[in-house]
Amino acid sequence: SQQGEEDPQALSIQEGENATMNCSYKTSINNLQWYRQNSGRGLVHLILIRSNEREKHSGRLRVTLDTSKKSSSLLITASRAADTASYFCATDNNAGNMLTFGGGTRLMVKP
Amino acid sequence: EAGVAQSPRYKIIEKRQSVAFWCNPISGHATLYWYQQILGQGPKLLIQFQNNGVVDDSQLPKDRFSAERLKGVDSTLKIQPAKLEDSAVYLCASNPFQYQETQYFGPGTRLLVL
Repeated sequence: SQQGEEDPQALSIQEGENATMNCSYKTSINNLQWYRQNSGRGLVHLILIRSNEREKHSGRLRVTLDTSKKSSSLLITASRAADTASYFCATDNNAGNMLTFGGGTRLMVKP
Repeated sequence: EAGVAQSPRYKIIEKRQSVAFWCNPISGHATLYWYQQILGQGPKLLIQFQNNGVVDDSQLPKDRFSAERLKGVDSTLKIQPAKLEDSAVYLCASNPFQYQETQYFGPGTRLLVL
């Protein structure tokens, strides 16, 4: 079963707008990661946030983590057409870095 | 630095046939993972290797799936016999050691079982 569940499942925005996607999970975690997958390609690691962190930034990406609500959000600011992809959250199950992925959010950024 | 290599990229077989996928991780990466990604879903871990030993294969359907990493470098995942529901993308990932969190993914092998 997949621990993380992303919301929304699909998101369509205009270039320049911000995109926010959310992830909820069920059990305690060591860390939560976000990955991007372009169509027909493998996954690319974007950012990792540890269970004792609340917010992290990387370029146009901002990730928050609320362990009390077992949820995380990924914000992409000033989106570009090249950001069109599927975005997955993945949780570390506390035992040797075995990741459990959510179902993903499919983001489309229209030029 | 070369990335994770996988072959073939695409495979079409009929049900009950056998198929094998190959993965060559990034040089020096001790940990190797195989995932199954069904269309519209996130990847699901099938098996994790640390060098040539299995760390976890609890989600590998062992009646038809097998995997090996004999010399602790490249790995092969086999399905025998294939079922329609095995149609998916099979992703290989690696990282330098078991407790390094970021995983590096290959492009995947897209399998269609008819």
